[in-house]
Amino acid sequence: GAVVSQHPSWVICKSGTSVKIECRSLDFQATTMFWYRQFPKQSLMLMATSNEGSKATYEQGVEKDKFLINHASLTLSTLTVTSAHPEDSSFYICSARSPGLESNEQFFGPGTRLTVL
Amino acid sequence: GQNIDQPTEMTATEGAIVQINCTYQTSGFNGLFWYQQHAGEAPTFLSYNVLDGLEEKGRFSSVLSRTKGYRYLLLKELQMKDSASYLCAVKDSNYQLIWGAGTKLIIKP
Repeated sequence: GAVVSQHPSWVICKSGTSVKIECRSLDFQATTMFWYRQFPKQSLMLMATSNEGSKATYEQGVEKDKFLINHASLTLSTLTVTSAHPEDSSFYICSARSPGLESNEQFFGPGTRLTVL
Repeated sequence: GQNIDQPTEMTATEGAIVQINCTYQTSGFNGLFWYQQHAGEAPTFLSYNVLDGLEEKGRFSSVLSRTKGYRYLLLKELQMKDSASYLCAVKDSNYQLIWGAGTKLIIKP
C-alpha cells in the first residue's frame, strides 16, 4: 500500500515552454502533498506544500507564479513549470501524506527528471 | 535557523557494519526519519523514531536516544546494493520535515 506515482518520469522541453507534472496517490487519500526539487548531489529542497482544496504554501525563494500547484482532489496534485528555462532543469519529486497512515510518514513518487534545452 | 548535520560520505566494506550519525537543531521535535536514495531515484522510507529506542527492519536499525544524544542509522552485513545516499530528516514543531543533505555510502568489495 501507500503508492505514489508521478508522470512523466522524464521530460525534455524547449526553453519558454510549460511543463505539467502529475502526482497521484494510488491507494490512499492524500490530504497533503509536497513538491521537492533536487539538483545533482544535493539534498531535497522543499518547494511547496499543498493541501487538498486550498492554495499551496510556497517556501521562501520559490516563485509561485512560475511553479503552479493544483491539488484539486485527494489523489492528484499537479506542478506546472511555466516558461521553463535551463536553470529549471532538475529532478522534481512529489510526496504524499495522509493522517490516517502510520507515523505520518511521507510516501515519495518516483520523481520526474526535467531537462530544459 | 534549522539544520540537520550528517557525514557527507562514508566508505565501508561488504559484509561489515556501518553507523551513520545525524545531529539536528530544529524548533521542536516530532520524530526522526531515515530514507534511502539510490542515484537518480526518489527516496524510500527506512525508519521512523519519535520515542527513545531502537527500530529494526532486517539489516537496518535506527536508534534514538534524545537524553544521551544518540541518533543514528546502523546497517549490518553490508551488501553492494546498499551503496546509496541515506537521508536523515526531522519533523519540527510545525510538523515540517527538515532534511539533511544526505550521507553517500560507498560499499567496497
